[in-house]
Parts: sequence; C-alpha cells; structure tokens
Amino acid sequence: GDSVTQMEGPVTLSEEAFLTINCTYTATGYPSLFWYVQYPGEGLQLLLKATKADDKGSNKGFEATYRKETTSFHLEKGSVQVSDSAVYFCALSDGDYNQGGKLIFGQGTELSVKP
Amino acid sequence: AAGVIQSPRHLIKEKRETATLKCYPIPRHDTVYWYQQGPGQDPQFLISFYEKMQSDKGSIPDRFSAQQFSDYHSELNMSSLELGDSALYFCASSDEQRYNEQFFGPGTRLTVL
Repeated sequence: GDSVTQMEGPVTLSEEAFLTINCTYTATGYPSLFWYVQYPGEGLQLLLKATKADDKGSNKGFEATYRKETTSFHLEKGSVQVSDSAVYFCALSDGDYNQGGKLIFGQGTELSVKP
Repeated sequence: AAGVIQSPRHLIKEKRETATLKCYPIPRHDTVYWYQQGPGQDPQFLISFYEKMQSDKGSIPDRFSAQQFSDYHSELNMSSLELGDSALYFCASSDEQRYNEQFFGPGTRLTVL
C-alpha cells in the first residue's frame, strides 16, 4: 500500500540555520503531497501542499517540490526561527488527480530551534 | 474564520467503558475524517464520511462506530475501551471544491485507565 517515510528526529538547529527534512513516498497512483505542522498540544495545521509532479508548495518561508522521479517531497527553509519548533509530518492523499482521500502520514520529525 | 470543533477536548474513562467523541466540521464542509494518534506516533486514518455516507474505512476496531448526521457533524462511538485506545483523536473536514485540503480540529485526548 501507499506509504510515507521521513527522516527521523529530533532535529536540533540554531536560529537562522538552514532546514531540510527529507520525505519520500511510495504510491501506486498520483497522490497529492502535504506537509503538516503540529505545535505542542495542538492539532495539525496544513503548512503547504503540491498536487502534481514538479509543483512547488510554499508558505511562511517553507517550501517543498514534488519530485516524481525520486518520489520525494523534502521540506526546506532557508532560515529557521525559534517559533518553528514543532513536529512536522509529511503526508500523501490517496486520491488520484486532486480527488482527495484519506491522508497517510510519515512518522513525524521533531524540530527544535535554539536561540 | 470558523474552524473544526471537537468535543470534549479531554476525556478520561475506565477500561470497558464507552466514549462518544463529537466533531463539528467547518460550515459547508461535507466530508469528515477521523484519525487516531497514539503517543509519539503519526496519525492513523480510522474512517471518513461524505454527505452522511461512509466513504472510506481504515484501521478502525470493530468496537468503534461512527456516523455523520444531517447537519454534517460526526460522532465516533467507542465501546469496551481498552488501555491501548488512549490517544489523541482528530477530526478533519474538507469540502467538495477543495478535496485536498483537510482542516483539522484540535483533537480529543482520550485517556483510558
């Protein structure tokens, strides 16, 4: 079945450092890809998404590009802030061609940014 | 902007008891998803509803049931609770125009003692 694998955490960075969180997926169809962020004690917030190959999702300085050839959707940010400390989940939607469907999540990567 | 509402936010139950979790989707959203997130785990899909009909089913135990009502709110009923049911339960909603954006509620934290 479809699955998502992301790099293990925790990831600890200093403020203004460059962030990469790797995410790869396995899917039989043409899923949409997402990054969700979960702050302590809160629900999941959609950070960005991409619905087809070569799409780039971006939001709040974060970006990720849907790479079909490498089945990847790595999250990047050029300069992290302490407020970015959270758990980041990569996910795919198992519906084809932007048709929605249940989300399949990776195991989450905890990011801790130190001042 | 209105968000997904879940109630209660916290629930403590004893083993073998029952629990009912409620989800109120964003207005005009017609699809509801339920997810279970164990401690330190990623969210796992349980069940979804579209226009009051079950649309997909995941790893939901037979002890659990759910439905979506005419006003689109949904309830997750859990019976014969086990210690392993302790988790954060999220509800998410989406609409027909933006299938791919699921908006999550704050979750219900269920603790089974």
